[in-house]
Amino acid sequence: QVELVASGGGVVQPGRSLRLSCSASRFTFTTYVMHWVRQAPGKGLEWMALMSSDRNNVYYADSLKGRFTISRDDSKNTLYLQMNSLTAEDTAVYYCARGLLTLARIKEHYDMDLWGQGTTVIVSS
Amino acid sequence: DIQMTQSPSSLAASVGDRVTITCQASQDISNYLNWFQQRPGKAPKRLIHDASNLETGVPSRFSGGGSGTRFTFTITSLQPEDIATYYCQQYDSLPLTFGGGTKVGIK
Repeated sequence: QVELVASGGGVVQPGRSLRLSCSASRFTFTTYVMHWVRQAPGKGLEWMALMSSDRNNVYYADSLKGRFTISRDDSKNTLYLQMNSLTAEDTAVYYCARGLLTLARIKEHYDMDLWGQGTTVIVSS
Repeated sequence: DIQMTQSPSSLAASVGDRVTITCQASQDISNYLNWFQQRPGKAPKRLIHDASNLETGVPSRFSGGGSGTRFTFTITSLQPEDIATYYCQQYDSLPLTFGGGTKVGIK
């Protein structure tokens, strides 16, 4: 069964860093766009970042203000999210998701279909 | 950024009822819209893509429609296992954005 498993969450103090991982299995990781999405406690879903399958295209939500970095290691079928200068507002469940890029009339559309189970990050002193 | 406005924010219906959720985009997104189901404590699961295409294996009581700026999601006969929060999400443009969610409960 196709699967994404996120890990690396935990309790971290404000101002510190954390790296999340997302391990993919039973699909061709190298052909998919990969996303990070988060959900604060009791709140809705917030798209954070994506990296294209060839790693050439990387996009971030403006709200991340340059603190977060998405990367991928195709040899390990793994997606990463490096999170720096964490604040209480970063407390959330972090999901990875895969997607596809489609081109229509020269416009790019980044879809998402399958999501991992999420890993919880709590920023607290 | 494209704003996605979902309504209602919550509803309660009886088993077997028809349930409809609407999603309004702040600009034309053609049919670049997903609907996700999120059961409590679980990851979102995509039910519908391209506004009206049902994912393989998803029961036919779920359906989606609309294009441009106004979209609907319908459960024709609500079942106990449909208790969840439902989100619309546009992928016409970056940043990808979600509606605020509709929490569906049983009366």
